[in-house]
Amino acid sequence: DTAVSQTPKYLVTQMGNDKSIKCEQNLGHDTMYWYKQDSKKFLKIMFSYNNKELIINETVPNRFSPKSPDKAHLNLHINSLELGDSAVYFCASSPVRWGGYTFGSGTRLTVV
Amino acid sequence: KQEVTQIPAALSVPEGENLVLNCSFTDSAIYNLQWFRQDPGKGLTSLLLIQSSQREQTSGRLNASLDKSSGRSTLYIAASQPGDSATYLCAVIWNDMRFGAGTRLTVKP
Repeated sequence: DTAVSQTPKYLVTQMGNDKSIKCEQNLGHDTMYWYKQDSKKFLKIMFSYNNKELIINETVPNRFSPKSPDKAHLNLHINSLELGDSAVYFCASSPVRWGGYTFGSGTRLTVV
Repeated sequence: KQEVTQIPAALSVPEGENLVLNCSFTDSAIYNLQWFRQDPGKGLTSLLLIQSSQREQTSGRLNASLDKSSGRSTLYIAASQPGDSATYLCAVIWNDMRFGAGTRLTVKP
């Protein structure tokens, strides 16, 4: 039933580990995104994929690598986690790049 | 540079009051503007989507207006209720969606 679903909802891990966050949308949208919400609650775009193709890659460390196996899925893999990576990561989708966005419920990542 | 600014950063009102949240943006060449609500520790709930050709959208007690030429949008909440307490986010779609920092609204019973 959920339109945009992310797993896991919470992730606690140690510095230096590698982790992945998964995102799936059942809306039939062509475009998917990853956003990061920092401790000050500001939302900033990280990546944008249109029909499995990377469109936007903001200034994000290359330890972050998105992967889109098909247009309904956009996963985020993070290597060598650092304390500063602690944040809430939101996945979103839109029918086209300029359409209304639907967001997932977020993944709270805590690096200790 | 494409930026979104929201004023005020925080707002506290007594129940029943009508209120206006403001959003301004640089670069009027937008596709759409979307207002969201975020409750503490939760995700984003879409409230209203205004396409660039539209001047306003309404949903229940909410009304959002858009003035592209001046780079402004307002979210009007009528007869506020304690359940309206949340952070309200204005987001503008250029090549992708860019957010303001939000207005944290508290409606006191």
